[in-house]
Amino acid sequence: EAGVAQSPRYKIIEKRQSVAFWCNPISGHATLYWYQQILGQGPKLLIQFQNNGVVDDSQLPKDRFSAERLKGVDSTLKIQPAKLEDSAVYLCASSLVRGEQYFGPGTRLTVT
Amino acid sequence: KNQVEQSPQSLIILEGKNCTLQCNYTVSPFSNLRWYKQDTGRGPVSLTIMTFSENTKSNGRYTATLDADTKQSSLHITASQLSDSASYICVVRGGSQGNLIFGKGTKLSVKP
Repeated sequence: EAGVAQSPRYKIIEKRQSVAFWCNPISGHATLYWYQQILGQGPKLLIQFQNNGVVDDSQLPKDRFSAERLKGVDSTLKIQPAKLEDSAVYLCASSLVRGEQYFGPGTRLTVT
Repeated sequence: KNQVEQSPQSLIILEGKNCTLQCNYTVSPFSNLRWYKQDTGRGPVSLTIMTFSENTKSNGRYTATLDADTKQSSLHITASQLSDSASYICVVRGGSQGNLIFGKGTKLSVKP
């Protein structure tokens, strides 16, 4: 069974630039999550999708972050404009409804 | 406030030795508790999941314990190997929304 796919694996941008990350969940998983993991900390949930609807985006900084899952399968997370404090690993996870979450390898973002 | 605290923050042990990682939580109501292993540059991978009624669960050289009365869990690693070097994250599902609450993790380094 293929796991959660993410791209790119690494991205370096300058502050005020924009960036987008892509996630393809495990086939059949209705729920998709985006997490932000700052170095030395546990993951923080940014947004949770159930199919193509948003379940929880309470911790998403909506002035600069946006995410979509238009067809209920893959998803993109965008940051515009990026700030230095956005440097982190962005993890995507997927699950069956309320089931175990399976994580992708993450995208390491460095903002200079 | 729902929180998960882990200790120690980091740990260095020699190959072949045992170690125990600690997790204290204040999440209520409690649903379950997972231990994840996160290798550098990878997403977290679930090691064990424990519900309220379970005291001990093993997965190879990993043994997790749960004391629901004191709200404490531990992860014991037996006969450590170099490949055990990783961050170990304690995650509790609970609270009024049934969300996942992540600890900051313990970074384990196993030296030859």
